[in-house]
Amino acid sequence: AIRMTQSPSSFSASTGDRVTITCRASQGVRSFLAWYQQKPGKAPKLLIYGASTLQSGVPSRFSGSGSGTDFTLTISSLQSEDFATYYCQQYYTYPLAFGQGTKLEI
Amino acid sequence: EVQLLDSGGGLVQPGGSLRLSCAASGFIFTGYAMSWVRQAPGKGLEWVSTIGGGGDIIFYADSVKGRFTISRDNSMNTLYLQMNNLRAEDTAVYYCARDTGTTVAFDSWGQGTLVTVSS
Repeated sequence: AIRMTQSPSSFSASTGDRVTITCRASQGVRSFLAWYQQKPGKAPKLLIYGASTLQSGVPSRFSGSGSGTDFTLTISSLQSEDFATYYCQQYYTYPLAFGQGTKLEI
Repeated sequence: EVQLLDSGGGLVQPGGSLRLSCAASGFIFTGYAMSWVRQAPGKGLEWVSTIGGGGDIIFYADSVKGRFTISRDNSMNTLYLQMNNLRAEDTAVYYCARDTGTTVAFDSWGQGTLVTVSS
């Protein structure tokens, strides 16, 4: 099974900061990689799929890059509503797998 | 508007059974694979199972294989998860989720239903 590892697990930032979260797959997943945002008590929200395609309705300050085993999610200028937990997910093969999450705190 | 409404969670003893349901509306149900994803309290997301639009292609996580059964009733636009021989480690919020139609990324989610396995 493919294992997804995110870094960091948590970190603090401020409004207006540029933030990058990293996701590494234990084996290549080509570009079959998605990113989600989850706020406490809520279901996850799809931000990016295909490693870099922005889901409809998601602000353009979110971007994704990478292919193979190394991926990044970048938020160009943090807004207050962006403080949440972020997950990557590979859908290259079953079993599908999520990273352990990155909690972004103020 | 796409809507997924999860239901069926509750408190069950170890070794017991529970059936979750997910009522879908706002899209052509048969056109999408559907999945269950769970989240233990304070933990991350864990994929559980996926079923294709026609119900003939099914995948399970090793942690639930042989105990859980995913199914769908396309005439009722409803997804199910039959959970047998439940264990304490199955305690989680269970979400149903819809794929994007072209990828197995999940673009719509239910609100989640809590399953607690405890004596």
